[in-house]
Amino acid sequence: EPEVTQTPSHQVTQMGQEVILRCVPISNHLYFYWYRQILGQKVEFLVSFYNNEISEKSEIFDDQFSVERPDGSNFTLKIRSTKLEDSAMYFCASSERPPGTGGDYGYTFGSGTRLTVV
Amino acid sequence: AQKVTQAQTEISVVEKEDVTLDCVYETRDTTYYLFWYKQPPSGELVFLIRRNSFDEQNEISGRYSWNFQKSTSSFNFTITASQVVDSAVYFCALSEDWRGGGADGLTFGKGTHLIIQP
Repeated sequence: EPEVTQTPSHQVTQMGQEVILRCVPISNHLYFYWYRQILGQKVEFLVSFYNNEISEKSEIFDDQFSVERPDGSNFTLKIRSTKLEDSAMYFCASSERPPGTGGDYGYTFGSGTRLTVV
Repeated sequence: AQKVTQAQTEISVVEKEDVTLDCVYETRDTTYYLFWYKQPPSGELVFLIRRNSFDEQNEISGRYSWNFQKSTSSFNFTITASQVVDSAVYFCALSEDWRGGGADGLTFGKGTHLIIQP
């Protein structure tokens, strides 16, 4: 079964450093997403991306965050200057169509990258 | 604004008992989509079901069943004859109808931690 692949599975970084989290979505999917889950809390939507631009973003997704699809396969989340409160599990997801459309489609999450800011 | 409430933060039952996880949602849209995800201790998010707002039929998949009631804005999940492997955090999520050009993310509840004791 096709998978969304995220690397690395765990990253430790020092406060103030830049990090890039990487995702390889399912190949025929067109919509890409990042979510965040602070330890023990709910999963929160960060951003969606379609047709090489941001489609929607939440209030969490401020100027320190950016996303990019640098080539035909990768989808990255960059945090420019990490803070302690950025420590969380970051999930990438992809879908053939947006979640609010009819019919069957895939909406698949990756296994996540656990980011620890020290 | 949309909201998902999972009032049960933790449920503990003995193996083979039936257990129901509650999910109540709020949305202004008449067309929307509801999801359940399982998050085992390993951390990944496993898709269980997606249901659109026009389909109120209950669904059964093996030991899992879902009861969708628009009148009470609920989408409850029942595990019959629970097993230790069912132990996980279960999240209910909502997506509103897709509007052209947008790709909204899912709104998650806070999750219910289900513990199945042998």
